Amino acid sequence: DQQVKQNSPSLSVQEGRISILNCDYTNSMFDYFLWYKKYPAEGPTFLISISSIKDKNEDGRFTVFLNKSAKHLSLHIVPSQPGDSAVYFCAASGGSGKAAGNKLTFGGGTRVLVKP
Amino acid sequence: KAGVTQTPRYLIKTRGQQVTLSCSPISGHRSVSWYQQTPGQGLQFLFEYFSETQRNKGNFPGRFSGRQFSNSRSEMNVSTLELGDSALYLCASSLAAFDYEQYFGPGTRLTVT
Repeated sequence: DQQVKQNSPSLSVQEGRISILNCDYTNSMFDYFLWYKKYPAEGPTFLISISSIKDKNEDGRFTVFLNKSAKHLSLHIVPSQPGDSAVYFCAASGGSGKAAGNKLTFGGGTRVLVKP
Repeated sequence: KAGVTQTPRYLIKTRGQQVTLSCSPISGHRSVSWYQQTPGQGLQFLFEYFSETQRNKGNFPGRFSGRQFSNSRSEMNVSTLELGDSALYLCASSLAAFDYEQYFGPGTRLTVT
């Protein structure tokens, strides 16, 4: 049972334009959401996060939006740069309440290609 | 501050053997989690340790085990290796007991032949 889904396996965008990555979840107990970026042969790098008590969090070029009623979050990258080309994972935590500890449940990833 | 380090970076083993992977968290971090990444299953949670105690375990067979030492360093062990255990094994650390912002190491690429 995939509790976190990224339905778009890939995304291609022109440099300078907006990249929008989407993520859906099914477990209503998730209370914290994160986005990670991953280059080949490296571990994921933390980008930005959002608590379930918020609906938006912004950090420089990255903004994450959370729609709890739709169980949907998105990551906006504006403007997109060639160095943003990577695989992006959304992750969720808190799915079993405190018993979950720091466990993260990941989506399948979206490969982003930013064209110069 | 140094990041999460994992050793070895690459490993080739034969079916039936066992393997131990090591992870050193960021200094001061007390929580260490392990994940397996494969092309088919994506990133899957293996287990998490905090203050030398396993707090949570993913849906993996008992061949997968781990431990954490008093200095927060962690090891994971896979016994009786199978071809399907070939994967990138990632370790992540976070500062506190309920701190979801985890910082990942570069991973250990395990190939089972």
